[in-house]
Amino acid sequence: EAGVTQFPSHSVIEKGQTVTLRCDPISGHDNLYWYRRVMGKEIKFLLHFVKESKQDESGMPNNRFLAERTGGTYSTLKVQPAELEDSGVYFCASSQDYRATGELFFGEGSRLTVL
Amino acid sequence: SQKIEQNSEALNIQEGKTATLTCNYTNYSPAYLQWYRQDPGRGPVFLLLIRENEKEKRKERLKVTFDTTLKQSLFHITASQPADSATYLCALDAGNNRKLIWGLGTSLAVNP
Repeated sequence: EAGVTQFPSHSVIEKGQTVTLRCDPISGHDNLYWYRRVMGKEIKFLLHFVKESKQDESGMPNNRFLAERTGGTYSTLKVQPAELEDSGVYFCASSQDYRATGELFFGEGSRLTVL
Repeated sequence: SQKIEQNSEALNIQEGKTATLTCNYTNYSPAYLQWYRQDPGRGPVFLLLIRENEKEKRKERLKVTFDTTLKQSLFHITASQPADSATYLCALDAGNNRKLIWGLGTSLAVNP
Protein backbone atom coordinates (compact mmCIF):
# COMPACT_ATOMS: atom_id res chain seq x y z
CA GLU A 1 0.00 0.00 0.00
CA ALA A 2 1.41 3.39 -0.99
CA GLY A 3 1.98 5.84 1.80
CA VAL A 4 1.36 9.58 1.84
CA THR A 5 3.29 11.19 -0.97
CA GLN A 6 4.27 14.82 -1.25
CA PHE A 7 5.65 16.83 -4.13
CA PRO A 8 8.03 18.54 -4.53
CA SER A 9 10.44 17.29 -1.92
CA HIS A 10 12.30 20.59 -2.06
CA SER A 11 11.46 23.92 -3.63
CA VAL A 12 13.63 27.04 -3.74
CA ILE A 13 11.88 30.23 -4.83
CA GLU A 14 12.38 33.97 -4.67
CA LYS A 15 10.38 36.16 -2.37
CA GLY A 16 7.18 37.20 -4.12
CA GLN A 17 6.91 34.08 -6.24
CA THR A 18 4.23 31.44 -6.01
CA VAL A 19 4.66 27.82 -4.97
CA THR A 20 2.16 24.99 -4.95
CA LEU A 21 2.73 21.92 -2.81
CA ARG A 22 0.86 18.73 -3.47
CA CYS A 23 -0.14 15.88 -1.17
CA ASP A 24 -1.56 12.52 -2.12
CA PRO A 25 -2.98 10.82 0.98
CA ILE A 26 -3.32 7.11 1.48
CA SER A 27 -6.19 5.85 -0.65
CA GLY A 28 -9.46 5.82 1.27
CA HIS A 29 -8.31 8.23 3.97
CA ASP A 30 -10.96 10.90 4.44
CA ASN A 31 -8.91 13.01 6.84
CA LEU A 32 -6.05 15.06 5.47
CA TYR A 33 -3.91 17.47 7.48
CA TRP A 34 -1.26 20.03 6.67
CA TYR A 35 1.42 20.83 9.24
CA ARG A 36 4.50 23.02 9.02
CA ARG A 37 7.84 23.05 10.81
CA VAL A 38 9.88 26.20 10.75
CA MET A 39 13.55 25.71 11.62
CA GLY A 40 14.10 25.67 15.35
CA LYS A 41 10.38 25.59 16.11
CA GLU A 42 7.90 22.84 16.79
CA ILE A 43 5.60 21.34 14.18
CA LYS A 44 2.45 23.44 13.88
CA PHE A 45 -0.99 22.60 12.59
CA LEU A 46 -2.20 24.44 9.51
CA LEU A 47 -5.50 22.85 8.54
CA HIS A 48 -7.63 19.73 8.38
CA PHE A 49 -9.82 18.42 5.56
CA VAL A 50 -12.53 15.83 5.90
CA LYS A 51 -13.00 14.65 2.35
CA GLU A 52 -13.24 17.87 0.33
CA SER A 53 -14.41 20.08 3.20
CA LYS A 54 -12.20 22.22 5.39
CA GLN A 55 -12.89 21.04 8.93
CA ASP A 56 -10.46 23.39 10.65
CA GLU A 57 -8.21 26.00 9.07
CA SER A 58 -7.38 27.85 12.26
CA GLY A 59 -3.65 27.32 11.79
CA MET A 60 -3.32 28.96 8.40
CA PRO A 61 -0.93 31.90 8.88
CA ASN A 62 -2.64 34.41 6.59
CA ASN A 63 -4.51 34.80 3.32
CA ARG A 64 -1.37 34.18 1.28
CA PHE A 65 -1.96 30.50 1.96
CA LEU A 66 -4.69 28.63 0.08
CA ALA A 67 -5.42 24.95 0.52
CA GLU A 68 -7.73 22.88 -1.63
CA ARG A 69 -8.76 19.27 -1.82
CA THR A 70 -10.58 18.66 -5.05
CA GLY A 71 -12.93 15.69 -5.00
CA GLY A 72 -11.69 14.65 -1.61
CA THR A 73 -8.55 13.04 -3.01
CA TYR A 74 -5.25 14.89 -3.31
CA SER A 75 -4.67 18.29 -1.76
CA THR A 76 -2.68 21.34 -2.77
CA LEU A 77 -1.27 24.12 -0.64
CA LYS A 78 -0.47 27.30 -2.51
CA VAL A 79 1.61 30.12 -1.11
CA GLN A 80 1.21 33.37 -3.03
CA PRO A 81 3.19 35.57 -2.79
CA ALA A 82 5.83 33.76 -0.77
CA GLU A 83 7.66 35.59 2.02
CA LEU A 84 10.95 34.74 3.74
CA GLU A 85 9.17 33.56 6.89
CA ASP A 86 7.29 30.92 4.89
CA SER A 87 10.46 28.85 4.66
CA GLY A 88 10.16 25.51 6.42
CA VAL A 89 9.09 21.94 5.94
CA TYR A 90 5.44 21.37 5.08
CA PHE A 91 4.11 17.99 6.14
CA CYS A 92 0.93 16.35 4.98
CA ALA A 93 -0.72 13.59 6.99
CA SER A 94 -3.79 11.45 6.51
CA SER A 95 -5.96 9.11 8.52
CA GLN A 96 -9.12 7.14 7.95
CA ASP A 97 -10.67 6.88 11.36
CA TYR A 98 -8.71 9.11 13.70
CA ARG A 99 -10.77 8.24 16.72
CA ALA A 100 -10.18 4.53 16.45
CA THR A 101 -6.40 4.44 16.43
CA GLY A 102 -5.25 8.03 16.64
CA GLU A 103 -2.55 7.25 14.12
CA LEU A 104 -1.62 9.87 11.57
CA PHE A 105 0.36 8.79 8.52
CA PHE A 106 2.81 11.46 7.47
CA GLY A 107 4.48 12.13 4.17
CA GLU A 108 8.18 12.90 3.91
CA GLY A 109 7.49 16.62 3.73
CA SER A 110 8.09 19.38 1.21
CA ARG A 111 10.96 21.65 2.14
CA LEU A 112 10.33 25.23 1.04
CA THR A 113 13.16 27.74 0.89
CA VAL A 114 12.23 31.34 0.14
CA LEU A 115 15.19 33.56 -0.77
CA SER B 1 -0.49 29.68 26.72
CA GLN B 2 -0.41 25.97 25.94
CA LYS B 3 3.08 24.60 26.11
CA ILE B 4 4.77 21.21 25.65
CA GLU B 5 8.30 20.65 26.88
CA GLN B 6 10.60 17.81 25.99
CA ASN B 7 14.21 17.24 27.03
CA SER B 8 16.01 19.83 24.96
CA GLU B 9 19.38 18.20 25.26
CA ALA B 10 20.24 15.13 23.23
CA LEU B 11 20.16 11.87 25.13
CA ASN B 12 23.12 9.52 24.67
CA ILE B 13 22.90 6.01 26.04
CA GLN B 14 24.68 2.71 25.67
CA GLU B 15 23.18 -0.09 23.64
CA GLY B 16 21.10 -2.42 25.79
CA LYS B 17 20.15 0.25 28.31
CA THR B 18 16.71 1.76 28.77
CA ALA B 19 16.10 5.20 27.29
CA THR B 20 13.60 7.41 29.10
CA LEU B 21 12.25 10.54 27.45
CA THR B 22 10.04 13.10 29.13
CA CYS B 23 7.13 15.17 27.88
CA ASN B 24 5.65 17.82 30.15
CA TYR B 25 2.73 20.06 29.31
CA THR B 26 1.03 23.05 30.88
CA ASN B 27 -2.33 24.79 30.57
CA TYR B 28 -3.79 21.84 28.76
CA SER B 29 -6.08 18.86 29.33
CA PRO B 30 -5.45 16.51 26.43
CA ALA B 31 -7.75 13.68 25.53
CA TYR B 32 -4.81 11.85 23.93
CA LEU B 33 -1.06 11.99 23.96
CA GLN B 34 0.99 10.53 21.13
CA TRP B 35 4.62 9.70 20.54
CA TYR B 36 6.22 9.80 17.11
CA ARG B 37 9.67 9.00 15.79
CA GLN B 38 11.35 11.18 13.20
CA ASP B 39 14.52 10.42 11.28
CA PRO B 40 16.49 13.16 9.51
CA GLY B 41 14.77 14.29 6.31
CA ARG B 42 11.75 12.08 6.92
CA GLY B 43 8.23 12.60 8.19
CA PRO B 44 7.12 11.66 11.70
CA VAL B 45 6.15 8.02 12.21
CA PHE B 46 3.48 7.15 14.75
CA LEU B 47 4.59 4.94 17.65
CA LEU B 48 2.04 4.95 20.45
CA LEU B 49 -1.08 6.71 21.63
CA ILE B 50 -2.25 6.86 25.24
CA ARG B 51 -5.62 8.19 26.36
CA GLU B 52 -6.31 10.36 29.38
CA ASN B 53 -7.89 7.48 31.28
CA GLU B 54 -4.93 5.16 30.67
CA LYS B 55 -1.88 5.04 32.92
CA GLU B 56 0.39 2.94 30.75
CA LYS B 57 0.61 1.53 27.23
CA ARG B 58 3.12 -0.96 25.85
CA LYS B 59 4.19 -2.02 22.38
CA GLU B 60 7.11 -4.42 22.03
CA ARG B 61 10.13 -2.64 23.57
CA LEU B 62 8.24 0.63 23.98
CA LYS B 63 6.33 1.80 27.03
CA VAL B 64 4.46 5.06 27.57
CA THR B 65 3.06 6.36 30.82
CA PHE B 66 0.63 9.23 31.25
CA ASP B 67 0.15 11.12 34.51
CA THR B 68 -2.57 13.74 34.10
CA THR B 69 -1.97 15.03 37.63
CA LEU B 70 1.69 15.73 36.98
CA LYS B 71 0.85 16.68 33.37
CA GLN B 72 3.64 14.41 32.21
CA SER B 73 4.26 11.49 29.90
CA LEU B 74 7.32 9.26 30.00
CA PHE B 75 8.45 7.29 26.96
CA HIS B 76 10.70 4.28 27.55
CA ILE B 77 12.67 2.18 25.08
CA THR B 78 14.01 -0.96 26.73
CA ALA B 79 16.99 -2.95 25.44
CA SER B 80 17.87 -0.01 23.21
CA GLN B 81 19.61 -0.55 19.89
CA PRO B 82 21.60 1.80 17.63
CA ALA B 83 18.67 1.62 15.20
CA ASP B 84 16.57 3.40 17.83
CA SER B 85 18.64 6.55 17.32
CA ALA B 86 16.26 9.26 16.10
CA THR B 87 14.28 12.26 17.31
CA TYR B 88 11.22 11.42 19.37
CA LEU B 89 8.27 13.80 19.34
CA CYS B 90 5.47 14.17 21.82
CA ALA B 91 2.11 15.51 20.60
CA LEU B 92 -1.16 16.29 22.33
CA ASP B 93 -4.63 16.08 20.93
CA ALA B 94 -7.35 18.40 22.20
CA GLY B 95 -9.93 15.77 21.32
CA ASN B 96 -12.55 18.01 19.78
CA ASN B 97 -10.76 19.48 16.83
CA ARG B 98 -8.34 16.67 16.09
CA LYS B 99 -5.32 18.91 15.63
CA LEU B 100 -2.09 17.94 17.31
CA ILE B 101 0.10 20.27 19.35
CA TRP B 102 3.75 19.24 19.25
CA GLY B 103 6.84 19.40 21.38
CA LEU B 104 10.24 20.21 19.87
CA GLY B 105 11.39 16.62 20.23
CA THR B 106 14.30 14.91 21.95
CA SER B 107 17.22 13.52 20.00
CA LEU B 108 18.26 10.04 21.12
CA ALA B 109 21.60 8.46 20.23
CA VAL B 110 22.19 4.82 21.15
CA ASN B 111 25.87 3.98 21.07
CA PRO B 112 27.04 0.45 20.20
